[in-house]
Amino acid sequence: NAGVMQNPRHLVRRRGQEARLRCSPMKGHSHVYWYRQLPEEGLKFMVYLQKENIIDESGMPKERFSAEFPKEGPSILRIQQVVRGDSAAYFCASSRGHNEQFFGPGTRLTVL
Amino acid sequence: AQSVAQPEDQVNVAEGNPLTVKCTYSVSGNPYLFWYVQYPNRGLQFLLKYITGDNLVKGSYGFEAEFNKSQTSFHLKKPSALVSDSALYFCAVRAGNFGNEKLTFGTGTRLTIIP
Repeated sequence: NAGVMQNPRHLVRRRGQEARLRCSPMKGHSHVYWYRQLPEEGLKFMVYLQKENIIDESGMPKERFSAEFPKEGPSILRIQQVVRGDSAAYFCASSRGHNEQFFGPGTRLTVL
Repeated sequence: AQSVAQPEDQVNVAEGNPLTVKCTYSVSGNPYLFWYVQYPNRGLQFLLKYITGDNLVKGSYGFEAEFNKSQTSFHLKKPSALVSDSALYFCAVRAGNFGNEKLTFGTGTRLTIIP
């Protein structure tokens, strides 16, 4: 049973470009979560989604960031017009809901 | 609001000695508590959880944790440390009410096991 898959593992963007991060949950998991980790810090919650629905986006910046989890395909975290402060590791997790979350390997975003 | 405190940034333990990584929490209602471990350039691996029941929970790789409601603590322990236990450890909490799935993490404790 494959774990949570994230791609790409590393992403480099120039300021002003768009970043798209993908996450495929574990088989049988319908709940997806996105977290951001800045260097030497813990993970900060961004958004919680179920299929086609955003359940909790209280941790998402109000501008430039969006997330979706379509009926078919992976969950996407999109960052428009990236700035240097967006450089971080972005982790996706999945669960069956109300249980422990299993994390992917992360996408390390570097903004030049 | 929910929060987690890991008071030690760094813990050093000699191989074969017992280890403790401390965690205290604050949450409204019943807490769901978790420990995760992170190796360099990797994602978080789930170690153990407390939801309800016995205050002492056992997890992966010989780790265990004790839930103490009066002290609002959930310290991670292992009777005999291995060099391979060296990693970054995160404690996390969320409220147990249905619909709240947001995990709040501590800032992490770097555990180094000295051969």
